[in-house]
Amino acid sequence: EIVLTQSPATLSLSPGERATLSCRASQDISNFLAWYQQKPGQAPRLLIYGASSRATGIPARFSGSGSGTDFTLTISSLEPEDFAVYYCQQRGNWPRTFGRGTKVEIK
Amino acid sequence: QVQLVESGGGVVQPGRSLRLSCAASGFTFSSYGMHWVRQAPDRGLEWVAVMSHNGIYEYYRDSVKGRFTISRDNSKNTLYLQMSSLRPEDTAVYYCAKDPSSSGYDVFDHWGQGTLVTVSS
Repeated sequence: EIVLTQSPATLSLSPGERATLSCRASQDISNFLAWYQQKPGQAPRLLIYGASSRATGIPARFSGSGSGTDFTLTISSLEPEDFAVYYCQQRGNWPRTFGRGTKVEIK
Repeated sequence: QVQLVESGGGVVQPGRSLRLSCAASGFTFSSYGMHWVRQAPDRGLEWVAVMSHNGIYEYYRDSVKGRFTISRDNSKNTLYLQMSSLRPEDTAVYYCAKDPSSSGYDVFDHWGQGTLVTVSS
């Protein structure tokens, strides 16, 4: 099973600041990585697929990069609605696995 | 717009069974793979099972293999998860999720609101 390690666990930032979230895979998954956003009481929402492609309707301030084992989600300038938990997920192998999440909270 | 509505959750004793349903609308259900994903507070998000658009392929995580069965009725636009021999560690919110591919080999591009399953005596 591929293990995804997300860091940091919590990121405390102010609106307008840049957020950089990391996801490391336990083995090479090429670009088969997605990112999801989850707010309290809601289902996850797809943000990024294929490591760097934005899903439909996702603002341009969200960007993804990386390949192989190291991936990054960047939010260029945090909006109030961006404070949430972010998960990475791999589709390089079965079973599909998720990271434990990074919580982006208001400083 | 895509809508996925889960139902069937509840409180069940260990060893008993439960069937979850996911009613789909807003897209051609028979063209897409579908998944079940669960979320427990102490274990985060866990993919559970997938079924291809035509029901030919299905895969499960090891911990539910032999106990859970995914199925679909394309005439009713509905996905199912039959869960048997339930364990306390199966307690979670269960989401159905749509795959953008027919095979079910891609990501989860739309999610339902989830249904809570609690396994407890």
